[in-house]
Amino acid sequence: GAGVSQSPSNKVTEKGKDVELRCDPISGHTALYWYRQSLGQGLEFLIYFQGNSAPDKSGLPSDRFSAERTGGSVSTLTIQRTQQEDSAVYLCASSLAGAGQGKNIQYFGAGTRLSVL
Amino acid sequence: GQNIDQPTEMTATEGAIVQINCTYQTSGFNGLFWYQQHAGEAPTFLSYNVLDGLEEKGRFSSFLSRSKGYSYLLLKELQMKDSASYLCAVSSPSGGSYIPTFGRGTSLIVHP
Repeated sequence: GAGVSQSPSNKVTEKGKDVELRCDPISGHTALYWYRQSLGQGLEFLIYFQGNSAPDKSGLPSDRFSAERTGGSVSTLTIQRTQQEDSAVYLCASSLAGAGQGKNIQYFGAGTRLSVL
Repeated sequence: GQNIDQPTEMTATEGAIVQINCTYQTSGFNGLFWYQQHAGEAPTFLSYNVLDGLEEKGRFSSFLSRSKGYSYLLLKELQMKDSASYLCAVSSPSGGSYIPTFGRGTSLIVHP
């Protein structure tokens, strides 16, 4: 596709439910990143994929959060037993260069706005 | 740990020049990025600096001093459409990779 695509664009869920967020990166981009952006806060790094493997999961806030990537393309971020503090915009980005290669310009999707009631 | 500071908000007049500063303290450095983010939209890449000095690209320029842990983004001939949040991000080692760490962003308001 022309850019990074995320779905859904908005998700409202009840506390305790599980949610799945999807990211479709730019074709050919090997690196994929998930960030979380809360109101007035910077982008908080969650996880990074190089191909299908996740060399850096250091940002996942708890074991309720998990992510996978298949076929070196689409990634899903799953949040189990959602809590109100999970409410935020979840942004996905992809880059042509890997995260160890310097000028790895990131191309972002428009994000999924998650609201946990 | 990583620490990146930028002003929360700035205002400027259409046609003027504005400088948005970013200071950082990181364990390791592999480049500094500036991104622009309009409300409700995806951040978009503006510039990348890895060596000291000024990089110019049209109305936007970015400066880096690695010894001072300091960068600025300079916007000239401001237009109303430049009203947006400007994000400073530093690429530094994290678990064997270089993951950009973002500041909280500077909200720029351009008024007539």
